Amino acid sequence: EVQLVESGGGLVNPGGSLRLSCAASGFTFSAYSMNWVRQAPGRGLEWVASMTGDSAYIYYADSVKGRFTISRDNAKNSLYLQMNNLRAEDTAVYYCARETLSYLVDYWGQGTLVTVSS
Amino acid sequence: DIVMTQTPLSLSVTPGQPASISCKSSQSLLHRDGKTHLYWYVQKPGQSPQLLIYDVSSRFSGVPDRFSGSGSGTDFTLQISRVEAEDVGVYYCLQVTQLPKTFGQGTKVEIK
Repeated sequence: EVQLVESGGGLVNPGGSLRLSCAASGFTFSAYSMNWVRQAPGRGLEWVASMTGDSAYIYYADSVKGRFTISRDNAKNSLYLQMNNLRAEDTAVYYCARETLSYLVDYWGQGTLVTVSS
Repeated sequence: DIVMTQTPLSLSVTPGQPASISCKSSQSLLHRDGKTHLYWYVQKPGQSPQLLIYDVSSRFSGVPDRFSGSGSGTDFTLQISRVEAEDVGVYYCLQVTQLPKTFGQGTKVEIK
């Protein structure tokens, strides 16, 4: 069974940093690209970043480029999102989601809430 | 960026009746690999999104056959042939043909 479990969310001051983690199990983690997608309270879904299984290709939404860094440790079956210089508009539930070689974004975690506020 | 426009934004349906959601993209979603990477998800209350339909019309594993997808190019439709109480939630389309990946605004489906 595919499982994705996010952690690391919390309350942070504007300008602060936070590192999210996503622990994967039930599949060969290194064979899949992974995504971060966020959802502001009461709002829709917004893609944040993607990384291929071999870490060769990394992509970011313009809204986070230069502030967020996606990374992974295939030995630990884990995906990360380092978020720096956080803004109020980054407040959201952050989901990790698996992506197959044929671009299918199929399984999502349960999400972790990040609140940026003073 | 490809803009995804869903209509309607909300839908109230009597159980057993059909429902239809439209998703229009600002550019063709035909990928260089010959496929159209348009997906449909449902986010049930308090849950994370669940995949229903991929590549326009293929049902994901375990998805009931009352859900179907159709369309091509820039116009796509999700249909529920007979809505059930468990279908309550917000439905999103997603395109991954071109970066950035973009979602529709979501369509909230309620039961009358």
